[in-house]
Amino acid sequence: AQTVTQSQPEMSVQEAETVTLSCTYDTSESNYYLFWYKQPPSRQMILVIRQEAYKQQNATENRFSVNFQKAAKSFSLKISDSQLGDTAMYFCAFVYSGGGADGLTFGKGTHLIIQP
Amino acid sequence: DAGVTQSPTHLIKTRGQQVTLRCSPKSGHDTVSWYQQALGQGPQFIFQYYEEEERQRGNFPDRFSGHQFPNYSSELNVNALLLGDSALYLCASSLGTGLIYTFGSGTRLTVV
Repeated sequence: AQTVTQSQPEMSVQEAETVTLSCTYDTSESNYYLFWYKQPPSRQMILVIRQEAYKQQNATENRFSVNFQKAAKSFSLKISDSQLGDTAMYFCAFVYSGGGADGLTFGKGTHLIIQP
Repeated sequence: DAGVTQSPTHLIKTRGQQVTLRCSPKSGHDTVSWYQQALGQGPQFIFQYYEEEERQRGNFPDRFSGHQFPNYSSELNVNALLLGDSALYLCASSLGTGLIYTFGSGTRLTVV
């Protein structure tokens, strides 16, 4: 079984700063996907970024980028030029890419607060 | 473009009762997964439905059951409710074995 660990329960930064959220995972699988989801007070999980394990290049989406270290089983999220609207819970998640039926395994989340 | 719709938004049940939660997937999606998110925790996978069959199940007791209808909508049923079943229940839809999930806003269940 895979596990996902987010070691930062809460982080707070000033608007426009850069912040990095940490995530480590443990799995014996070699083919998988990793995700960062954002959960604002509206409760809906919103996909921020996705990384396929077989791709060495780190994924980027506008202000969001990841540092994927497969050997170290580390998957951190960097948010550049942080905005007030980035305030939310952020969850790191893993899924085995053998069919998707296993469902996502989530970490416990990091509460990110962007201060004005 | 209709996203994932869940109903009801909130409900309160008494211990020992039964509850049914509903989910309509995003247009074009045919697979529905259910998650339980306890307060302060990440979501936990309950099960996934595809072609009206339960395809995979997480570590949840048989009190949790589900159903998928021909129009791909789904229900989650929980019997003999326990106080520990109080949580946010999230539904996620996807297409086939694809790994792009769209989540709903969840149903907040409180068991008293």
